[in-house]
Amino acid sequence: GEDVEQSLFLSVREGDSSVINCTYTDSSSTYLYWYKQEPGAGLQLLTYIFSNMDMKQDQRLTVLLNKKDKHLSLRIADTQTGDSAIYFCAESTGSGNTGKLIFGQGTTLQVKP
Amino acid sequence: KAGVTQTPRYLIKTRGQQVTLSCSPISGHRSVSWYQQTPGQGLQFLFEYFSETQRNKGNFPGRFSGRQFSNSRSEMNVSTLELGDSALYLCASSLGGDSPLHFGNGTRLTVT
Repeated sequence: GEDVEQSLFLSVREGDSSVINCTYTDSSSTYLYWYKQEPGAGLQLLTYIFSNMDMKQDQRLTVLLNKKDKHLSLRIADTQTGDSAIYFCAESTGSGNTGKLIFGQGTTLQVKP
Repeated sequence: KAGVTQTPRYLIKTRGQQVTLSCSPISGHRSVSWYQQTPGQGLQFLFEYFSETQRNKGNFPGRFSGRQFSNSRSEMNVSTLELGDSALYLCASSLGGDSPLHFGNGTRLTVT
């Protein structure tokens, strides 16, 4: 069945790069997403990548997709304390099901000053 | 452009009661999806509406229902509340097609 896996916790120093990893199982996924959740808030869309792309860069964020291994990563350059949050990877479940995303458990990013 | 608006932000109900949550999507968005977020189960898909029709449904009991109005606003209803229904309920909207989902800040439901 559909499943998305993420490591649960990552701790980095301010100014370092953070890399959050995700694996998924549905090979028919059309889009893969990264969302950020701060305490008491909803999900903020950070970036997304179409399944026929290998990489997408958006300011400090770089998404890498290895479709063969079904592996997705989010790199945050020059990580700041304001980046401390939970990061969720999600996959769409194919064309026509775009309202239904399968989410990972979330990775808590702790940024130490 | 205003984001996805969910009301109320917090709600406390008693077991056995029913509750209605409301969601106003981003202007122009016709698809509205609902998710339940709990510490144990994470984020789980409830259902999706598009042009007033339920397009997709997750694995939740029939106590969970929803609807969408002609202005794309959506409501979800939970009847006969159980303690396990305590969760953050998130609404998301999109243009439909392959456009990404944008989430609201959620309604925190506590069942006592």
